[in-house]
Parts: sequence; structure tokens; C-alpha cells
Amino acid sequence: KAGVTQTPRYLIKTRGQQVTLSCSPISGHRSVSWYQQTPGQGLQFLFEYFSETQRNKGNFPGRFSGRQFSNSRSEMNVSTLELGDSALYLCASSLASTGMDGYTFGSGTRLTVV
Amino acid sequence: QKEVEQNSGPLSVPEGAIASLNCTYSDRGSQSFFWYRQYSGKSPELIMSIYSNGDKEDGRFTAQLNKASQYVSLLIRDSQPSDSATYLCAVNMVPPTSGTYKYIFGTGTRLKVLA
Repeated sequence: KAGVTQTPRYLIKTRGQQVTLSCSPISGHRSVSWYQQTPGQGLQFLFEYFSETQRNKGNFPGRFSGRQFSNSRSEMNVSTLELGDSALYLCASSLASTGMDGYTFGSGTRLTVV
Repeated sequence: QKEVEQNSGPLSVPEGAIASLNCTYSDRGSQSFFWYRQYSGKSPELIMSIYSNGDKEDGRFTAQLNKASQYVSLLIRDSQPSDSATYLCAVNMVPPTSGTYKYIFGTGTRLKVLA
């Protein structure tokens, strides 16, 4: 059974640009969550989608947005990139909408903003 | 006070010993608790979940939950060098006031098992 697939694996962008990251969850999983991981802050919750609806949102500025499609695939967009947005962005999927059964993570997208 | 706290370590234990990893959380309304393992350069991997007070064993791993004291721990018996990784505690909490759950990770404890 295929795991959680994130694309691309690596990205280098310039300040001010925008970026879109993609995540395909495990087949049958309707919940997709996004996390930002940095050495200093650990895993910070961005948002969660379930059945195309945003169920929860973390404390990130409006430059960070996301959406989920009818096939449960999700995208995350960051506009007007800042140097501080450099991080590993992880997508995680679960069967339950509240993560009660735990998450399966993708390999992540490493974003570098220069 | 952080919502989920872990000692960053590193926690060094000799091969074959028991490694004990601890996590405290702030919200008494927390309902479910998880331990993830993250190897360097890899993404987190779920290794244990626990929902009620007491112990839960899975192979060499035992998760312990004490809701009254608001802590959850992970014991790794017969530690192996391959267990060297960062262990992340995660707590799923649904504050009654908001009804919106939060799934919060601690910053992780780095474990080093010495051969």
C-alpha cells in the first residue's frame, strides 16, 4: 500500500515568490494535516483538512493557505516568501478526522528561501 | 508553559539498557497520546498510541500514561544502537470551550544508544 507522497522533495525559492506543495494521502485516508518543522521550533501545526473542509488552523500568517480536493489530495501554498519560511514541510494523513488513530507522515518537502 | 514538554536531551544509554523518555502536557482535557520516532533526515513515524491510564506494551516498547499527573512516558527495553533517534510526544486535546481539537507535538528528546 502506497504511503503519503509529497512533491517536490526539495525547493529553492527567492524571497517574495510563492510556492505550492502537494500531498497525496494514503488511499482511504480523508484527513490531511500540514506541519512545518524547523530545528528551533520543532513541529508546528499549519492546518488540517477533512473531506475538502479545513477543520483546524494553526497560528501562521495568512500567507500560508491550503486546500483539499475531492480525491483527498491536498496542496499548501505560501505566498510572498520570507527567509524564515525555510523549513521542512511535512504532510500527514490519517483515517480519523481528529488524528485519534495517529498520523502517517510523508517524506516532506525541504523549502529553502534565499 | 508549553502545551507539550519534553527534555531535549541527548539521553545517552548503553546498549541493552532501558531508555526512559518523558513528556508532560498542560491540558487536562487531553484525550489521546502518541509517541513518534524520527531518525535524522527522515520524517516522524508513529510507534505507540495510548488512550487510558496505565501501561501499554508493544514488543520492546511500553507507553505509560498518568492523566492525574499529566505525563506520558515511553520505555524502550533492551535498547539497541538502531533506536538512536529523536522521540516526539504528541497529544490530542479537545478543549471543551472550543470543541476544536488540537494535535500538539513536543520538541522531542534525542536518544543515543551507545554500543
